[in-house]
Amino acid sequence: AQKVTQAQTEISVVEKEDVTLDCVYETRDTTYYLFWYKQPPSGELVFLIRRNSFDEQNEISGRYSWNFQKSTSSFNFTITASQVVDSAVYFCALSERRDNFNKFYFGSGTKLNVKP
Amino acid sequence: DAGVIQSPRHEVTEMGQEVTLRCKPISGHDYLFWYRQTMMRGLELLIYFNNNVPIDDSGMPEDRFSAKMPNASFSTLKIQPSEPRDSAVYFCASSSGSRENEQFFGPGTRLTVL
Repeated sequence: AQKVTQAQTEISVVEKEDVTLDCVYETRDTTYYLFWYKQPPSGELVFLIRRNSFDEQNEISGRYSWNFQKSTSSFNFTITASQVVDSAVYFCALSERRDNFNKFYFGSGTKLNVKP
Repeated sequence: DAGVIQSPRHEVTEMGQEVTLRCKPISGHDYLFWYRQTMMRGLELLIYFNNNVPIDDSGMPEDRFSAKMPNASFSTLKIQPSEPRDSAVYFCASSSGSRENEQFFGPGTRLTVL
């Protein structure tokens, strides 16, 4: 089973539309961390947000917002009023503790195409 | 800070040749990660180091791959002998502290094995 599932392979929206990228994770750890990274067409991976398992407060940063729900093991990412510059591949990631050392997992990514 | 530095940025080699990828982490970071990204398999963690010691190498595909970190400011990923299926973008990342902190990625090395 996948530790981090991003079921949406590719999403296309028109500029100014809102879009939500889904992330579902699996862990038995009680203390874990979730991340979102952005990979624009230029190829580099850029950190967007970190959330620990004890903090279920939703977070908003400008047009970006994140909805963390432990009950459904989801950490979804919403872009409001999308812009062409948001076009990128977005990765959700999980870090947990297993067998006495840290484990890191990335989802397969969701490619977001924002059309003008 | 210059960020994570990787070299070379592009490498084209022929099957059977040895390939060495290099990484300089951000100064002060004690974790270093090597990832491989392909269309088919996505982003895979190959190995990571903590304080220069390899901690989890379960992602290393086979014995042809080896990674070293002789000191806190330098790491190598070596493929010997290389095969066409090794063609991918290889990323190095570093982080400070433990698993709760974000990783800072280098620009990647695009490897093509002919």
